Amino acid sequence: SAVISQKPSRDICQRGTSLTIQCQVDSQVTMMFWYRQQPGQSLTLIATANQGSEATYESGFVIDKFPISRPNLTFSTLTVSNMSPEDSSIYLCSVELDGRSQYFGPGTRLLVL
Amino acid sequence: GDSVTQMEGPVTLSEEAFLTINCTYTATGYPSLFWYVQYPGEGLQLLLKATKADDKGSNKGFEATYRKETTSFHLEKGSVQVSDSAVYFCALERGKLIFGQGTELSVKP
Repeated sequence: SAVISQKPSRDICQRGTSLTIQCQVDSQVTMMFWYRQQPGQSLTLIATANQGSEATYESGFVIDKFPISRPNLTFSTLTVSNMSPEDSSIYLCSVELDGRSQYFGPGTRLLVL
Repeated sequence: GDSVTQMEGPVTLSEEAFLTINCTYTATGYPSLFWYVQYPGEGLQLLLKATKADDKGSNKGFEATYRKETTSFHLEKGSVQVSDSAVYFCALERGKLIFGQGTELSVKP
């Protein structure tokens, strides 16, 4: 497995603002993923981030709303732009190791007022 | 498309009871299957996995067997503890993880 950290762990933001979430892993990984978990719901993949290429977004998610950076093999950021209360969720990053097993960070709990 | 269906929760059990959480999937071929656990206020932890038919994944007393005939991957534990209270997610891997809706387990002393 790997040690994965996220910053911030939680935040309360005003609508119309943006928040950047950081994900750091303690080993080099090719594949990193960003998920959203809305209150009481399951996880939905936002995008896949490979180092050196543009992120690949799932249906219903767009780069203007959720820009992602992947500057190296141990780090990624997800920005939630122009936030509304509907963006209140837990945002989780994960990395792929051990033959396609994914390991998750602790999550960032976002509340938008 | 590919999908995962879990039994609805919440499931409430007494300590030392037997646990089964049902999971069935719809997918072409034979995807890898996973169980994740989310404790209150935490991220997801990989609990166990199986990569091919008839494989049994096991960890911390939990087991699940990949059944291609019934397209199922039910999670079982012989004797649950209060510390097992959490939300359990079944998932399949198809280039990305596709999750079931999650099943909340509450174990009472």
